[in-house]
Amino acid sequence: SQKIEQNSEALNIQEGKTATLTCNYTNYSPAYLQWYRQDPGRGPVFLLLIRENEKEKRKERLKVTFDTTLKQSLFHITASQPADSATYLCALGLTGGGNKLTFGTGTQLKVEL
Amino acid sequence: DAGVTQSPTHLIKTRGQQVTLRCSPKSGHDTVSWYQQALGQGPQFIFQYYEEEERQRGNFPDRFSGHQFPNYSSELNVNALLLGDSALYLCASSLIDRDLPNTEAFFGQGTRLTVV
Repeated sequence: SQKIEQNSEALNIQEGKTATLTCNYTNYSPAYLQWYRQDPGRGPVFLLLIRENEKEKRKERLKVTFDTTLKQSLFHITASQPADSATYLCALGLTGGGNKLTFGTGTQLKVEL
Repeated sequence: DAGVTQSPTHLIKTRGQQVTLRCSPKSGHDTVSWYQQALGQGPQFIFQYYEEEERQRGNFPDRFSGHQFPNYSSELNVNALLLGDSALYLCASSLIDRDLPNTEAFFGQGTRLTVV
């Protein structure tokens, strides 16, 4: 069956450290993968998009990697801050999917002082 | 630019009732998708509208229906509400561009529906 798995347990890290979140998928062949941030009671906010032919993307303190052989994406936040505390969602998009997204369950990140 | 706006923000309905949720997409966007997000879960795709037609549909029953208007705004209708329909309903807009496929989606703040 098709699955998208993210760290089910909350991730607690210290301010200034690098947070690494994992997204593993099974029985999908995504054309692209996106990462979103979601705060409680709010809609997801787009962070980064990476396509199947790209290995790595960066934006300011954010970095995402995409390994289609391992069927895995890693999302890194460097020099983390308490304001980075939120739930982070990965979402897969398929070729011809017309921007339809299939989401994982999300990982809750808490950055402590 | 107001971004994606949804109304209402909160709604309480009784089992068996019908509900209509509304969405105005981000300026310049022509595609609207609806998602259902249960507590502690990721958003689940309900359907997508483009050029006033339903283009794709997720695994949701026919009780869930929608509409897109000429100005690209959209409605989600749910009939015969069940307790299990209680969730955050999210609208996302995007632009279908054949030269640049697979762009990001912009989400509204959602409508929190509670069925009692």
